[in-house]
Amino acid sequence: EAGVAQSPRYKIIEKRQSVAFWCNPISGHATLYWYQQILGQGPKLLIQFQNNGVVDDSQLPKDRFSAERLKGVDSTLKIQPAKLEDSAVYLCASSSNRGRGGEKLFFGSGTQLSVL
Amino acid sequence: EDQVTQSPEALRLQEGESSSLNCSYTVSGLRGLFWYRQDPGKGPEFLFTLYSAGEEKEKERLKATLTKKESFLHITAPKPEDSATYLCAVQAASSGGSNYKLTFGKGTLLTVNP
Repeated sequence: EAGVAQSPRYKIIEKRQSVAFWCNPISGHATLYWYQQILGQGPKLLIQFQNNGVVDDSQLPKDRFSAERLKGVDSTLKIQPAKLEDSAVYLCASSSNRGRGGEKLFFGSGTQLSVL
Repeated sequence: EDQVTQSPEALRLQEGESSSLNCSYTVSGLRGLFWYRQDPGKGPEFLFTLYSAGEEKEKERLKATLTKKESFLHITAPKPEDSATYLCAVQAASSGGSNYKLTFGKGTLLTVNP
Protein backbone atom coordinates (compact mmCIF):
# COMPACT_ATOMS: atom_id res chain seq x y z
CA GLU A 1 0.00 0.00 0.00
CA ALA A 2 1.35 3.43 -0.92
CA GLY A 3 2.17 5.71 1.99
CA VAL A 4 1.43 9.38 2.60
CA ALA A 5 3.02 11.48 -0.14
CA GLN A 6 4.30 15.01 0.47
CA SER A 7 6.01 17.61 -1.70
CA PRO A 8 8.26 19.42 -1.91
CA ARG A 9 10.84 17.69 0.23
CA TYR A 10 12.73 20.90 1.01
CA LYS A 11 11.91 24.59 0.62
CA ILE A 12 14.00 27.68 1.32
CA ILE A 13 12.34 31.09 1.24
CA GLU A 14 12.90 34.58 2.59
CA LYS A 15 10.73 36.04 5.32
CA ARG A 16 7.50 37.64 4.11
CA GLN A 17 7.37 35.34 1.09
CA SER A 18 4.62 32.77 0.66
CA VAL A 19 4.94 28.99 0.41
CA ALA A 20 2.63 26.01 -0.14
CA PHE A 21 2.93 22.35 0.74
CA TRP A 22 1.03 19.46 -0.79
CA CYS A 23 -0.11 16.17 0.72
CA ASN A 24 -1.74 13.05 -0.72
CA PRO A 25 -2.96 10.71 2.04
CA ILE A 26 -3.26 6.93 1.97
CA SER A 27 -6.13 5.89 -0.27
CA GLY A 28 -9.39 5.58 1.64
CA HIS A 29 -8.22 7.46 4.73
CA ALA A 30 -10.92 9.92 5.74
CA THR A 31 -8.88 11.91 8.24
CA LEU A 32 -5.92 14.10 7.34
CA TYR A 33 -3.66 16.04 9.70
CA TRP A 34 -1.00 18.72 9.31
CA TYR A 35 1.63 18.84 12.04
CA GLN A 36 4.49 21.28 12.59
CA GLN A 37 7.71 19.90 14.05
CA ILE A 38 10.32 22.42 15.18
CA LEU A 39 13.85 21.08 15.62
CA GLY A 40 14.17 19.22 18.94
CA GLN A 41 10.42 19.22 19.58
CA GLY A 42 7.60 16.76 19.09
CA PRO A 43 5.06 17.31 16.32
CA LYS A 44 2.33 19.88 17.06
CA LEU A 45 -1.07 19.63 15.39
CA LEU A 46 -1.97 22.55 13.14
CA ILE A 47 -5.19 21.32 11.56
CA GLN A 48 -7.25 18.15 11.24
CA PHE A 49 -9.70 17.37 8.42
CA GLN A 50 -12.41 14.71 8.44
CA ASN A 51 -13.15 14.18 4.74
CA ASN A 52 -13.16 17.81 3.54
CA GLY A 53 -14.43 19.38 6.76
CA VAL A 54 -12.25 20.93 9.49
CA VAL A 55 -12.39 19.11 12.85
CA ASP A 56 -9.73 21.02 14.78
CA ASP A 57 -7.77 24.11 13.76
CA SER A 58 -7.37 25.58 17.23
CA GLN A 59 -3.56 25.79 16.96
CA LEU A 60 -3.40 27.09 13.40
CA PRO A 61 -2.11 30.71 13.20
CA LYS A 62 -4.98 31.82 11.01
CA ASP A 63 -3.53 35.25 10.25
CA ARG A 64 -0.85 33.62 8.11
CA PHE A 65 -1.62 29.91 7.71
CA SER A 66 -4.41 28.40 5.64
CA ALA A 67 -5.24 24.86 4.59
CA GLU A 68 -7.76 23.20 2.38
CA ARG A 69 -8.74 19.68 1.44
CA LEU A 70 -10.70 19.67 -1.76
CA LYS A 71 -12.86 16.64 -2.58
CA GLY A 72 -11.75 15.01 0.68
CA VAL A 73 -8.48 13.68 -0.73
CA ASP A 74 -5.41 15.87 -1.36
CA SER A 75 -4.61 18.80 0.88
CA THR A 76 -2.51 21.96 0.68
CA LEU A 77 -1.10 24.02 3.53
CA LYS A 78 -0.11 27.61 2.80
CA ILE A 79 1.90 30.18 4.73
CA GLN A 80 1.62 33.84 3.73
CA PRO A 81 3.64 35.77 4.76
CA ALA A 82 6.29 33.52 6.31
CA LYS A 83 8.19 34.46 9.45
CA LEU A 84 11.56 33.23 10.70
CA GLU A 85 9.83 31.18 13.43
CA ASP A 86 7.97 29.17 10.78
CA SER A 87 11.19 27.28 10.03
CA ALA A 88 10.25 23.67 10.79
CA VAL A 89 9.31 20.34 9.25
CA TYR A 90 5.68 20.19 8.14
CA LEU A 91 4.32 16.69 8.45
CA CYS A 92 1.16 15.36 6.88
CA ALA A 93 -0.54 12.31 8.36
CA SER A 94 -3.67 10.32 7.66
CA SER A 95 -5.79 7.74 9.44
CA SER A 96 -8.83 5.66 8.60
CA ASN A 97 -10.77 6.41 11.82
CA ARG A 98 -13.72 4.15 11.60
CA GLY A 99 -15.18 5.69 14.72
CA ARG A 100 -13.58 3.50 17.38
CA GLY A 101 -10.73 5.74 18.47
CA GLY A 102 -7.21 4.56 19.05
CA GLU A 103 -6.58 4.64 15.32
CA LYS A 104 -2.93 5.07 14.46
CA LEU A 105 -1.68 7.87 12.25
CA PHE A 106 0.49 7.26 9.20
CA PHE A 107 2.98 10.05 8.49
CA GLY A 108 4.66 11.28 5.36
CA SER A 109 8.35 12.20 5.26
CA GLY A 110 7.57 15.89 5.66
CA THR A 111 8.60 19.15 4.03
CA GLN A 112 11.56 20.89 5.63
CA LEU A 113 11.03 24.67 5.47
CA SER A 114 13.81 27.16 6.08
CA VAL A 115 12.83 30.83 6.32
CA LEU A 116 15.82 33.20 5.94
CA GLU B 1 -4.90 20.58 28.44
CA ASP B 2 -3.27 17.26 27.54
CA GLN B 3 0.41 17.05 28.46
CA VAL B 4 3.10 14.51 27.62
CA THR B 5 6.58 14.57 29.17
CA GLN B 6 9.34 12.24 28.03
CA SER B 7 12.59 11.44 29.79
CA PRO B 8 15.46 11.35 29.36
CA GLU B 9 15.84 13.81 26.47
CA ALA B 10 18.79 11.80 25.20
CA LEU B 11 20.18 8.37 26.03
CA ARG B 12 23.39 6.79 24.88
CA LEU B 13 23.78 3.01 25.24
CA GLN B 14 26.33 0.41 24.31
CA GLU B 15 25.13 -2.40 22.09
CA GLY B 16 23.47 -5.02 24.31
CA GLU B 17 22.92 -2.62 27.22
CA SER B 18 19.20 -2.72 28.10
CA SER B 19 17.34 0.35 29.34
CA SER B 20 13.95 2.08 29.50
CA LEU B 21 12.44 5.29 28.22
CA ASN B 22 9.72 7.07 30.21
CA CYS B 23 6.57 8.87 29.11
CA SER B 24 4.40 10.54 31.74
CA TYR B 25 1.07 11.99 30.72
CA THR B 26 -1.87 14.06 31.89
CA VAL B 27 -5.06 13.64 29.90
CA SER B 28 -8.79 13.84 30.47
CA GLY B 29 -9.75 10.31 29.59
CA LEU B 30 -7.17 8.29 27.70
CA ARG B 31 -8.34 6.88 24.40
CA GLY B 32 -4.92 5.54 23.51
CA LEU B 33 -1.19 5.98 24.15
CA PHE B 34 1.05 5.68 21.13
CA TRP B 35 4.76 5.08 20.64
CA TYR B 36 6.42 6.15 17.39
CA ARG B 37 9.97 5.91 16.11
CA GLN B 38 11.42 8.75 14.04
CA ASP B 39 14.61 8.47 12.00
CA PRO B 40 16.45 11.61 10.81
CA GLY B 41 14.74 13.19 7.81
CA LYS B 42 11.70 10.94 8.05
CA GLY B 43 8.22 11.09 9.50
CA PRO B 44 7.29 9.18 12.66
CA GLU B 45 6.73 5.46 12.21
CA PHE B 46 4.12 3.69 14.32
CA LEU B 47 5.29 1.16 16.92
CA PHE B 48 2.55 0.49 19.48
CA THR B 49 -0.84 1.56 20.81
CA LEU B 50 -1.76 0.90 24.44
CA TYR B 51 -5.31 1.43 25.65
CA SER B 52 -5.55 0.64 29.36
CA ALA B 53 -3.39 0.37 32.46
CA GLY B 54 -1.61 -2.96 32.75
CA GLU B 55 -1.45 -3.52 29.03
CA GLU B 56 1.86 -4.58 27.46
CA LYS B 57 2.95 -4.97 23.83
CA GLU B 58 6.16 -6.31 22.33
CA LYS B 59 7.92 -6.05 19.01
CA GLU B 60 11.39 -7.54 18.56
CA ARG B 61 13.62 -5.86 21.18
CA LEU B 62 10.98 -3.34 22.24
CA LYS B 63 8.32 -3.73 24.93
CA ALA B 64 5.83 -1.02 25.88
CA THR B 65 3.93 -0.93 29.17
CA LEU B 66 1.23 1.37 30.51
CA THR B 67 0.09 2.57 33.94
CA LYS B 68 -2.50 5.22 34.79
CA LYS B 69 0.15 7.96 34.78
CA GLU B 70 2.99 6.79 32.58
CA SER B 71 4.29 4.45 29.95
CA PHE B 72 7.66 2.81 29.56
CA LEU B 73 9.42 1.66 26.43
CA HIS B 74 11.87 -1.07 27.40
CA ILE B 75 14.70 -1.82 25.01
CA THR B 76 16.36 -5.20 25.52
CA ALA B 77 19.84 -5.83 24.14
CA PRO B 78 19.68 -2.90 21.70
CA LYS B 79 21.53 -2.81 18.39
CA PRO B 80 22.92 0.23 16.54
CA GLU B 81 19.94 0.11 14.17
CA ASP B 82 17.67 0.92 17.12
CA SER B 83 19.20 4.41 17.19
CA ALA B 84 16.39 6.92 16.57
CA THR B 85 14.12 9.40 18.33
CA TYR B 86 11.26 7.70 20.16
CA LEU B 87 8.09 9.73 20.46
CA CYS B 88 5.20 9.18 22.87
CA ALA B 89 1.74 10.57 22.15
CA VAL B 90 -1.72 10.49 23.72
CA GLN B 91 -5.15 10.51 22.16
CA ALA B 92 -7.75 11.93 24.52
CA ALA B 93 -11.35 10.89 24.84
CA SER B 94 -12.10 14.50 25.78
CA SER B 95 -11.27 15.54 22.22
CA GLY B 96 -14.71 14.29 21.41
CA GLY B 97 -16.52 13.20 18.30
CA SER B 98 -14.25 12.59 15.37
CA ASN B 99 -11.23 14.42 16.81
CA TYR B 100 -8.51 11.80 16.86
CA LYS B 101 -5.55 14.14 17.16
CA LEU B 102 -2.38 12.99 18.90
CA THR B 103 -0.55 15.17 21.42
CA PHE B 104 3.16 14.38 21.32
CA GLY B 105 6.00 14.65 23.79
CA LYS B 106 9.38 16.06 22.75
CA GLY B 107 10.88 12.62 22.31
CA THR B 108 13.94 10.73 23.53
CA LEU B 109 16.97 10.60 21.23
CA LEU B 110 18.45 7.11 21.57
CA THR B 111 21.97 6.38 20.36
CA VAL B 112 23.27 2.81 20.46
CA ASN B 113 27.01 2.47 19.98
CA PRO B 114 28.53 -0.72 18.55
